[in-house]
Amino acid sequence: GQQLNQSPQSMFIQEGEDVSMNCTSSSIFNTWLWYKQDPGEGPVLLIALYKAGELTSNGRLTAQFGITRKDSFLNISASIPSDVGIYFCAGRGAGSYQLTFGKGTKLSVIP
Amino acid sequence: DSGVTQTPKHLITATGQRVTLRCSPRSGDLSVYWYQQSLDQGLQFLIQYYNGEERAKGNILERFSAQQFPDLHSELNLSSLELGDSALYFCASSQRGDGYTFGSGTRLTVV
Repeated sequence: GQQLNQSPQSMFIQEGEDVSMNCTSSSIFNTWLWYKQDPGEGPVLLIALYKAGELTSNGRLTAQFGITRKDSFLNISASIPSDVGIYFCAGRGAGSYQLTFGKGTKLSVIP
Repeated sequence: DSGVTQTPKHLITATGQRVTLRCSPRSGDLSVYWYQQSLDQGLQFLIQYYNGEERAKGNILERFSAQQFPDLHSELNLSSLELGDSALYFCASSQRGDGYTFGSGTRLTVV
């Protein structure tokens, strides 16, 4: 089945620093999504990408749909303490309504 | 409020017991997905229902079962509970082709 490799698994950064994380897939996806999960809560959709090469921003967050359609990147600029959480990528292949999730990147922000 | 309602929020039970987790999807969503998340782990897909019918199965144990009712709410039944079943259980819903909307989860503790 489809597999997503998400990296890094965890990261500790200083407040104010920029963050970058990525996902790669073993197969082509038509949709890439990025979610954030706060501790003890359900994941919340941050950004959705539907076209290869698409670059979309949501405040300090920017995500890109890779040209090969097998990868996606999420960048967070000028991190703040409330950015702490687990970030999940998810992708959907052609003809499928199901999402495949990455294992998540756990972000810790040091004030 | 995401629109996906999960009850109960917390559940503590003994090994060998059976519990039922309930999920009401977002209005208009026909698909319901169940996920298990153990401590600091990713989202493990259990099962999907679409308009009352089972659509896909993931790593769901035989001791676990689910169903979706005509009013589209879903229940996840966990029986012969073991300590290792302690986890967060999430329900998500979607319409065709869009991202999933997650509930806030049920935290199950088996003692």
